Amino acid sequence: DIQMTQSPSSLSASVGDRITITCRASQSFTNFLNWYQQKPGKAPKLLIYDASSLQSGVPSRFSGSGSGTAFTLTISSLQPEDFATYYCQQSYSSPYTFGQGTKLEIK
Amino acid sequence: EVQLVESGGGLVQPGGSLRLSCAASGFTFSSYWMTWVRQAPGKGLEWVADIKQDGTQKKYVDSVKGRFTISRDNTKNSLFLQMNSLRAEDTAVYYCARPAGRETFDYWGRGTLVTVSS
Repeated sequence: DIQMTQSPSSLSASVGDRITITCRASQSFTNFLNWYQQKPGKAPKLLIYDASSLQSGVPSRFSGSGSGTAFTLTISSLQPEDFATYYCQQSYSSPYTFGQGTKLEIK
Repeated sequence: EVQLVESGGGLVQPGGSLRLSCAASGFTFSSYWMTWVRQAPGKGLEWVADIKQDGTQKKYVDSVKGRFTISRDNTKNSLFLQMNSLRAEDTAVYYCARPAGRETFDYWGRGTLVTVSS
């Protein structure tokens, strides 16, 4: 199974900050990497697919990059509604594992 | 509008069984693989199982193999998860999700809570 490890596990930041979350895979694959946002009591929401493609309707302040074993999610200027938990997920091979999550909190 | 609505969750004793359902609407259900993802209380997301459009291929995470069965009824636009021999560690919110492409989940239901406890 491919293990996905996110860092950091939690992050405190302020509105307007630029932040980056990293996701590392235990084995290499091209771009089968997705990012989701989840707010308390809600289902996850797809933000980025195929490592760098922005899902329809998602603000352009979200971006993704990477390939191989290292991937990043960047939010260029944090907005109040961005404080949530973020998960990466590999869609390369079954089981389609998720990272453990990064909780983004308001400083 | 795409909608996925799960049902069937509840409290069950260890060793018991439960059948979850997911009613799909707003898209051509028979054209998509479908997936179950779960989330234990306060924990992260775990992919559980998926099923091909015609039901001929099914995949499971190792921890549920032999205990859970995914199925679908394309005539009723419904997805199911039969869960047997339930354990405390199966306690979670179970989400039905639609993969837009290669296991990339663009639509999710609200989830149904399964609690395994005596």
